[in-house]
Amino acid sequence: NAGVTQTPKFQVLKTGQSMTLQCAQDMNHEYMSWYRQDPGMGLRLIHYSVGAGITDQGEVPNGYNVSRSTTEDFPLRLLSAAPSQTSVYFCASSGRPQVYGYTFGSGTRLTVV
Amino acid sequence: AQSVSQHNHHVILSEAASLELGCNYSYGGTVNLFWYVQYPGQHLQLLLKYFSGDPLVKGIKGFEAEFIKSKFSFNLRKPSVQWSDTAEYFCAVNPYSGGGADGLTFGKGTHLIIQP
Repeated sequence: NAGVTQTPKFQVLKTGQSMTLQCAQDMNHEYMSWYRQDPGMGLRLIHYSVGAGITDQGEVPNGYNVSRSTTEDFPLRLLSAAPSQTSVYFCASSGRPQVYGYTFGSGTRLTVV
Repeated sequence: AQSVSQHNHHVILSEAASLELGCNYSYGGTVNLFWYVQYPGQHLQLLLKYFSGDPLVKGIKGFEAEFIKSKFSFNLRKPSVQWSDTAEYFCAVNPYSGGGADGLTFGKGTHLIIQP
């Protein structure tokens, strides 16, 4: 049981490049979400999903796209990276948030130059 | 929309001192409440959570928190801290009515440093 797996752990992009941050969970969790963590800002919700085929925007969705074609995977896409997207990105999942809370992945540190 | 305020951004304590980290939230309805800890270079780990029932909840590593509904507060406490408690602590909420499905709203965090 691997929990929530995020890849890659580190990434450097040039401005304007695109990339996909991967998130996979093997716990059959319905609920998944993406956050970005910036110094002094805490974690802010980017997008979330309540099941396969269902996604919605969080607090800071601009510049990011998501899709949820399977229960296991919830990739986050940056279509045209900007320096303002330099951050640490965390994915989280839960089967029953009100009972177990959310389980977080180990994060992806992204630098856009 | 809900919001979370953590009172102290940086706290420095000596080992064996008592700890209390403040957390207040703003939301018109019932919420689920969480405290997460992030050790240096690691991901977030759940310390404790409150959904209903006894407002005093106990978590891992000797931490506890008290929910005071009238004050919209969920303060984290530990009677005697250890050097290994050095970490970033985050308070988080989400609306109970959504079943917790729509992610978490976090405070900005408290950086706790324990001096030997």
